[in-house]
Order: sequence, then C-alpha cells, then structure tokens
Amino acid sequence: DAGVIQSPRHEVTEMGQEVTLRCKPISGHNSLFWYRQTMMRGLELLIYFNNNVPIDDSGMPEDRFSAKMPNASFSTLKIQPSEPRDSAVYFCASSRLTSGGLRRVYEQYFGPGTRLTVT
Amino acid sequence: KQEVTQIPAALSVPEGENLVLNCSFTDSAIYNLQWFRQDPGKGLTSLLLIQSSQREQTSGRLNASLDKSSGRSTLYIAASQPGDSATYLCAVNNQAGTALIFGKGTTLSVSS
Repeated sequence: DAGVIQSPRHEVTEMGQEVTLRCKPISGHNSLFWYRQTMMRGLELLIYFNNNVPIDDSGMPEDRFSAKMPNASFSTLKIQPSEPRDSAVYFCASSRLTSGGLRRVYEQYFGPGTRLTVT
Repeated sequence: KQEVTQIPAALSVPEGENLVLNCSFTDSAIYNLQWFRQDPGKGLTSLLLIQSSQREQTSGRLNASLDKSSGRSTLYIAASQPGDSATYLCAVNNQAGTALIFGKGTTLSVSS
C-alpha cells in the first residue's frame, strides 16, 4: 500500500498566482480530509469528503479556496489568488469504515504534506 | 466547541527515562482519540487509536489511556530513546467519520 500521496511536496509561488494541490487517498478509503498546519494555529481542518461528496467546508478560509473530489482516487485543493498568509503545510488524510466487532473505526492516515510558500 | 490541549508544550529528558504526555479535551462525547507522531518537516504517523469505549491501547513501548469522563488521555513512553524525539499530537473526533480536532502538540527531545 503506497499510503496517501500528495503532490507537489513543495511549492513556491508569487502572490496572486493560482496554486493547485493534489491528493490520492489510500485505495478503498471513502473519506478524505484536507488540513492546514501553521505554527500559530496548529493543524486545522479545511474541508472533508465522504464518498466524494463535500460534508464540511466550514474550515475553508474564504472564497479563494476551493476543493474538488471528482472520483474516489483523486482530490484537489485550489487557491486563487494566493496570498502570503496562505503559506503553510497542507495535509491530505484518508480513512475508511472498518469493522471492529460491533464497533466501527475511522483511523485517519496522513500524506507527507505540501509545503506552500507564497512570496 | 471541542478544544484539545496538550501539556507540556515541550519536554526534554535523558535517554532511558519513562515519560508521560498529557492531552485534555473539553467535550467528553468523543468517538475516537488518536495519538500521532510528527518528525520535523514530515507528515503525521498514527501511533495509537483509542475508541471511546476503550480505556487504553498499547503498541510496543507506547501505552495510551483514555478517561472520557474527565476529558483526559495520556501517552506513556517507556525507556525513552533518542529516536523518540519528535512532536506528539493528540486528536479527537466527535462523530464517526468526521474530521479530527488537534492539540498543538508536545515536542519531545530525548538526549543520549
């Protein structure tokens, strides 16, 4: 299993440019999460999908951010236009419904992250 | 609104010492609690997951306990090693399949 795959690993761009981050979840997982990590605020949810449908986008900062999940194996997070305050590490995570006796478990597995720097 | 707090923010210990990292959460109605490890510049590695019906989970030298009623979890690391140096993050979710809410982490440094 290749784990959660994110690309690019590093992105440096100028203010005003469009940035697209990509994520491939673990095969068979039906939930996908986008988180952002900064020194000041730690790790925070941006948006998550269940079965390719956005469930909670309350963490998306503003209209400059958008996310899509066109199929079960691919998701994008787009920032347009980018600003210096968007500089952070963006993580994608996935999970699936598993059976643990009578109990269902949703363990989340994280990708390596994309380090975004907007100058 | 669920809030997760981790104390201390940083911890330095000599090799071989047993140590405890603390995590507290404000809403006891959690579904799962996960402990993660993050190395500098790297992603998150899941260490242990405790379901709300469980009291503890163990993996090697790691033991995580959960006390839902008091809103607390501890991560116990036995016989610490320099390779344990990393940031340890605690996270909870309140419903099945929902996003995790993270603490700010405890940065551990184990000296040889």
